[in-house]
Amino acid sequence: AQKITQTQPGMFVQEKEAVTLDCTYDTSDQSYGLFWYKQPSSGEMIFLIYQGSYDEQNATEGRYSLNFQKARKSANLVISASQLGDSAMYFCAMTEEYGNKLVFGAGTILRVKS
Amino acid sequence: ETGVTQTPRHLVMGMTNKKSLKCEQHLGHNAMYWYKQSAKKPLELMFVYNFKEQTENNSVPSRFSPECPNSSHLFLHLHTLQPEDSALYLCASSQENRGGGYTFGSGTRLTVV
Repeated sequence: AQKITQTQPGMFVQEKEAVTLDCTYDTSDQSYGLFWYKQPSSGEMIFLIYQGSYDEQNATEGRYSLNFQKARKSANLVISASQLGDSAMYFCAMTEEYGNKLVFGAGTILRVKS
Repeated sequence: ETGVTQTPRHLVMGMTNKKSLKCEQHLGHNAMYWYKQSAKKPLELMFVYNFKEQTENNSVPSRFSPECPNSSHLFLHLHTLQPEDSALYLCASSQENRGGGYTFGSGTRLTVV
C-alpha cells in the first residue's frame, strides 16, 4: 500500500523568502505520480504541481518547483519568493501505477509573515 | 469556479435526518470521487466511480450511500449520522490519473448535531 509522510505540521516563512515543504513516500509500484495541492481556508483543493516517477527533470510551475529524489523517495515542494497569499495547508499526494486513487499525506500548514 | 461544483457548501443536520450532498462536473471527466477531511486527519478516500460504476468503497459505513447516475453527477446520501461524521466532504473528478487531472470541488462542511 502507498503511504505519504509529511513531517512538518506547521511552517513559518518570511515574505519574499523561499520555503521547502517536505514529503516522503513509500510504494512498491515502479510507475507512480506525485502531486502537491494547496488548500486555503475556503476549503477547495488547488492543484500546484505534478511529477511522474519516470520524469528525469524536476517539475516546475511558476514559483513552485518539486525537488524529486527518487532513490530517497522524497518529493519536496519549494516555493520561491513567498507571498502572503501562500498561507494555506499544503498536501503531498500520490497515485498508484494502476488505478486512479489519490492518496494524501497529513498536510503542512504554511504561514507567511510580513 | 473550479469546474467541480458541490452543494450545499454548509450543512447542519441532526442524527435522525436524511440529507444528500451533490457534486457536479462538466469537465468531461469519467471518474468521480468522494473524500472525507476531518480535523487533524489526512484526507480519506471514501468512494471511487469510474464510468458511473463504483470501483472502490473504502470500508465506509452504510450510513453513507453514494449514487452516480451519470458521469457528470455524484451524490452522497446521508442518514442516521453520528457527530464524528462532522467533516469537510470533498468531491473530485479526473479523466486521467496523472498530470494534475484531479479537479476538486470546494467541499461541503457538514456538522452533525
